Amino acid sequence: GQNIDQPTEMTATEGAIVQINCTYQTSGFNGLFWYQQHAGEAPTFLSYNVLDGLEEKGRFSSFLSRSKGYSYLLLKELQMKDSASYLCVLDRGDSSYKLIFGSGTRLLVRP
Amino acid sequence: SQTIHQWPATLVQPVGSPLSLECTVEGTSNPNLYWYRQAAGRGLQLLFYSVGIGQISSEVPQNLSASRPQDRQFILSSKKLLLSDSGFYLCAWMVYETDGYTFGSGTRLTVV
Repeated sequence: GQNIDQPTEMTATEGAIVQINCTYQTSGFNGLFWYQQHAGEAPTFLSYNVLDGLEEKGRFSSFLSRSKGYSYLLLKELQMKDSASYLCVLDRGDSSYKLIFGSGTRLLVRP
Repeated sequence: SQTIHQWPATLVQPVGSPLSLECTVEGTSNPNLYWYRQAAGRGLQLLFYSVGIGQISSEVPQNLSASRPQDRQFILSSKKLLLSDSGFYLCAWMVYETDGYTFGSGTRLTVV
C-alpha cells in the first residue's frame, strides 16, 4: 500500500519562506502532486513532479527525490492568502489514474 | 472550456434518509470521474471511480453507491444515511495525467 506523511500544522510569517515536507512509502508511482486547499473549498492543483529535482512555478517550487522517498513544497514571499492546507498526493500511475492524498499540512501565515 | 458542476453545495439530512449527489462535466469526452470524501480535519478518501459509462469501481466498503448513467454524469447515492456519512464530498475528473484532478466545488453533507 501507500503511506504519506506530512506535518500536521506549520506557522510562518508574511514575506518569509516556508518548506513543507512530505515523505512517502509506496511500491511504485508515476509522479507526485501538490495541491492547495483553502478551508471549506475544493483542492486546487499546484505542481506535478515526475523526475527527481526541483520544479519552479512563480512563488511555489516543488522538489522530488525518489531514492529518498521525499518531496517538499517551497513557498516564497509568503502572503496572507497562502494560509491553507497543502496536500501531498501520489499518482499511482495505473490506468485508473487514482490519486492517493496525504492528510495535508495546515499552514498559518501571520502578519 | 472544460468545467465540472457539483450540487448541492450544502445538505442537511436526517439519519435513515436517502441521498443523491450529482456531478456533471462539460467540454470533454470519456473522462475518468471520481468521488472523494473528506471528514472534518482529515484527508481525502477515494470512494468510487469510473473510467466509462456504467463502469464503477468501489474503493471502500460502505453505505454508499455510485452510478454513471451518461458519459459526463456521475451520481453518488445512499438508500439510508448514517451519522458517519457526514463530510465534504468532492467530485473530480482527470483528463490529462500531468494536470491532475479538477474538482467540483463540493457538497458539505451533515447527517443529523
